Amino acid sequence: RKEVEQDPGPFNVPEGATVAFNCTYSNSASQSFFWYRQDCRKEPKLLMSVYSSGNEDGRFTAQLNRASQYISLLIRDSKLSDSATYLCVVFLSGGYNKLIFGAGTRLAVHP
Amino acid sequence: DADVTQTPRNRITKTGKRIMLECSQTKGHDRMYWYRQDPGLGLRLIYYSFDVKDINKGEISDGYSVSRQAQAKFSLSLESAIPNQTALYFCATSHGPPRTDTQYFGPGTRLTVL
Repeated sequence: RKEVEQDPGPFNVPEGATVAFNCTYSNSASQSFFWYRQDCRKEPKLLMSVYSSGNEDGRFTAQLNRASQYISLLIRDSKLSDSATYLCVVFLSGGYNKLIFGAGTRLAVHP
Repeated sequence: DADVTQTPRNRITKTGKRIMLECSQTKGHDRMYWYRQDPGLGLRLIYYSFDVKDINKGEISDGYSVSRQAQAKFSLSLESAIPNQTALYFCATSHGPPRTDTQYFGPGTRLTVL
């Protein structure tokens, strides 16, 4: 079982739609959580950190459920420019001290 | 100008050749990392360095070596390239520990080993 699992997609949605991605992690020693965005053939860039209480940045909302060990990303009012792959990233503490990257979920927003 | 640069951007080589990928950064960060990305897999850490005198193996260091020539430069070498090292390689930097700090990635090097 992968340490961080994501639905690879693609999620094909029209402009203006709301779309949600989930990510599950297997190690309860996971301490910090992030969403990175990666455009086609480009480098990953931090989209947002995920806090225990949940957090919002404009049209993007991230949630953390420690009991069920999953993280979610909600995108409201999708734009064509949101088309990208979204990487779920987890930091493992407790002797591991490393970032684990999910393989990503691809989003395609169409007119 | 980009804060994290990688050279070359693309490279095709043959099995058995020695290859060096270079990374430079102007962000002033102490911490630097090398990752590889393969289709269907997440980025995997090859080596990392928290300062010039500190080099550590990541989860997939076999077949690779690194050199931290200066705070701003971190090179990755494949001593004898093999086809399963065909991948997209990213260098990254961070200011603080990965638990809290953003990783800033270079544009990537696409390496093909024939």
